[in-house]
Amino acid sequence: DSGVTQTPKHLITATGQRVTLRCSPRSGDLSVYWYQQSLDQGLQFLIQYYNGEERAKGNILERFSAQQFPDLHSELNLSSLELGDSALYFCASSATGGSGNTIYFGEGSWLTVV
Amino acid sequence: DAKTTQPNSMESNEEEPVHLPCNHSTISGTDYIHWYRQLPSQGPEYVIHGLTSNVNNRMASLAIAEDRKSSTLILHRATLRDAAVYYCILYGIAGANNLFFGTGTRLTVIP
Repeated sequence: DSGVTQTPKHLITATGQRVTLRCSPRSGDLSVYWYQQSLDQGLQFLIQYYNGEERAKGNILERFSAQQFPDLHSELNLSSLELGDSALYFCASSATGGSGNTIYFGEGSWLTVV
Repeated sequence: DAKTTQPNSMESNEEEPVHLPCNHSTISGTDYIHWYRQLPSQGPEYVIHGLTSNVNNRMASLAIAEDRKSSTLILHRATLRDAAVYYCILYGIAGANNLFFGTGTRLTVIP
C-alpha cells in the first residue's frame, strides 16, 4: 500500500460525458502527479501540482483539467469524453515535488468510455 | 530530448542477477535517474533513484555511468515476484520529457 488513495476504482460512462477522478496523496506529501495509461500509449505524464499550484504540465488535453485543493487532495476532470479516453488514470504523490523525491503511485482509476 | 531508451524485454533465470540497462544520452546535470516497476493491474512501484553516485537499497542497486549517459538497474537475485515492466525515467527540470516513462523493459523470470 503506497498510501495514495484514488477513487473511484472503476468508472463506466458514455461519450460526451464528464467525470471527476479524485486523489488523496500520502500523508504529508505536498505534490501530486497525474498519469494516463492506455494500451497503445503507455504511461503518459499529464500534470503535476505542488501545494495547490501547477508545477509541470505534460501531455494533458484541453478537455482535461486538474486542481489541487488546500487540503492537498487533487481532482482530475475529464470532459467531452471520447472512446480514446478509456484508460487507467494514476495519481501519484511525493513529499515536495523535487526531482530527488520518491514518487508513490496509487492503484489507479479505470475509466471506460462507451 | 531528455528521453530514456530501454530494451523491450529481457529474461532471467530465478535466483540469478539481472542487469537492466537504460540509455539517457541527453540527460542534463540536474536530472535524477529514477527506476520504477509495474506489475499487471497495479500502479508503478518505486525501486530506486540516484543522481551521480551508485545507489543501493533493499530492492536493488543502481549503477550510473561516469558520464551519466546510461545507467543499469541491478537485481541481485531475481525472484518470480520481480517479473514486471521496469521503467527508467528522468526527473529534473520541467519540460516535455520530464517524468517520461517510455515503454520500459518487460522482465520475465524463468523458474
